[in-house]
Amino acid sequence: EAGVAQSPRYKIIEKRQSVAFWCNPISGHATLYWYQQILGQGPKLLIQFQNNGVVDDSQLPKDRFSAERLKGVDSTLKIQPAKLEDSAVYLCASSPGLAGAVDEQFFGPGTRLTVL
Amino acid sequence: AQSVTQLGSHVSVSEGALVLLRCNYSSSVPPYLFWYVQYPNQGLQLLLKYTTGATLVKGINGFEAEFKKSETSFHLTKPSAHMSDAAEYFCAVRAAGNKLTFGGGTRVLVKP
Repeated sequence: EAGVAQSPRYKIIEKRQSVAFWCNPISGHATLYWYQQILGQGPKLLIQFQNNGVVDDSQLPKDRFSAERLKGVDSTLKIQPAKLEDSAVYLCASSPGLAGAVDEQFFGPGTRLTVL
Repeated sequence: AQSVTQLGSHVSVSEGALVLLRCNYSSSVPPYLFWYVQYPNQGLQLLLKYTTGATLVKGINGFEAEFKKSETSFHLTKPSAHMSDAAEYFCAVRAAGNKLTFGGGTRVLVKP
């Protein structure tokens, strides 16, 4: 079974530029998560999707971050414009059940973003 | 609201020695608790989880953890460290909607 795929693996941009990350979850997984992991910290949930609907985006900085999962499969996370403090690893995870289930979350390898 | 505190951001152990990583949690509801491991440049991998039932939980790679409600703790142990255990370890508590709140992580260094 293929795991969670993310691209690109690394991205370097200058502040005020825009950037997009892509995630392909495990086939058939209903729930998809985006986390931000700043160096030296644990991952922090940014947004959670169930199929193509948003379950929780309370910690997403909506003035600059956006995310979508149009067909309930792949997802993209965008930052526009980027700030220095956005430098982090962005992790995508998926789980098989609906948002209320106690499922294992399977993580992708992450995208390391550096904002100069 | 849930929170997780991991004591010690770095732990150094000798190969063959006991590995002990400490995790304390705060939860307003009966907690579901998790330990994840992250190897360099990789995503997180589940080591073990506690949901209900037996308080001593066994996971992969010889790790185990014990849920102690009275101490609000979920410490991770392995009797004998191996070089391949060098990684970062994260404790997490589940909130509503299967959302995870992670601790700050503990980086383990294994000395030969």
